[in-house]
Amino acid sequence: EAGVAQSPRYKIIEKRQSVAFWCNPISGHATLYWYQQILGQGPKLLIQFQNNGVVDDSQLPKDRFSAERLKGVDSTLKIQPAKLEDSAVYLCASRQIGQSNYGYTFGSGTRLTVV
Amino acid sequence: QQPVQSPQAVILREGEDAVINCSSSKALYSVHWYRQKHGEAPVFLMILLKGGEQKGHEKISASFNEKKQQSSLYLTASQLSYSGTYFCGTANSNSGYALNFGKGTSLLVTP
Repeated sequence: EAGVAQSPRYKIIEKRQSVAFWCNPISGHATLYWYQQILGQGPKLLIQFQNNGVVDDSQLPKDRFSAERLKGVDSTLKIQPAKLEDSAVYLCASRQIGQSNYGYTFGSGTRLTVV
Repeated sequence: QQPVQSPQAVILREGEDAVINCSSSKALYSVHWYRQKHGEAPVFLMILLKGGEQKGHEKISASFNEKKQQSSLYLTASQLSYSGTYFCGTANSNSGYALNFGKGTSLLVTP
């Protein structure tokens, strides 16, 4: 089966600019996650969707980050305006509903550098 | 609640064994283990559910001690391909909420 697709692979922007990341999960996977991974650290959850509804966005900096998952398939994560500390890899992962015994499938991530 | 992993880093010679620990201050429902190679996505290794089960995949196995709220990953007769950063991800309930990941353990296997 096809994996989790993410784009772009790399992005360099100046602080205060905006940026958007795209994720296409594995077909049929109802649960989608966005994680932020700062260099040398573990992934940190930003937002979790189930179908097109938000399950958990408690750690999403809502003053600058937004995410949507229209039609319960693709998802977009946006940052506006970006800060230097937003430099990180943004990982998208998906899992099928009811498969709590299964692991996450991660995409290759988008490496964001804010200068 | 972020789990705590130890050690932070390990260097092994090919064929040696290693243990990576993951502990939580809260009760655990499940523990996941992932391996991430430099510049790549984390790859799922295995999942353990409460009940103290132990799982294995070739020469990599793991245990889960529910009472101690901790899990250990065992790498036996390490191979060069085992090099990478290992993360544990924990879930405190079966409510469907996302995993919390530890900071990772960097493992380097040398010839």
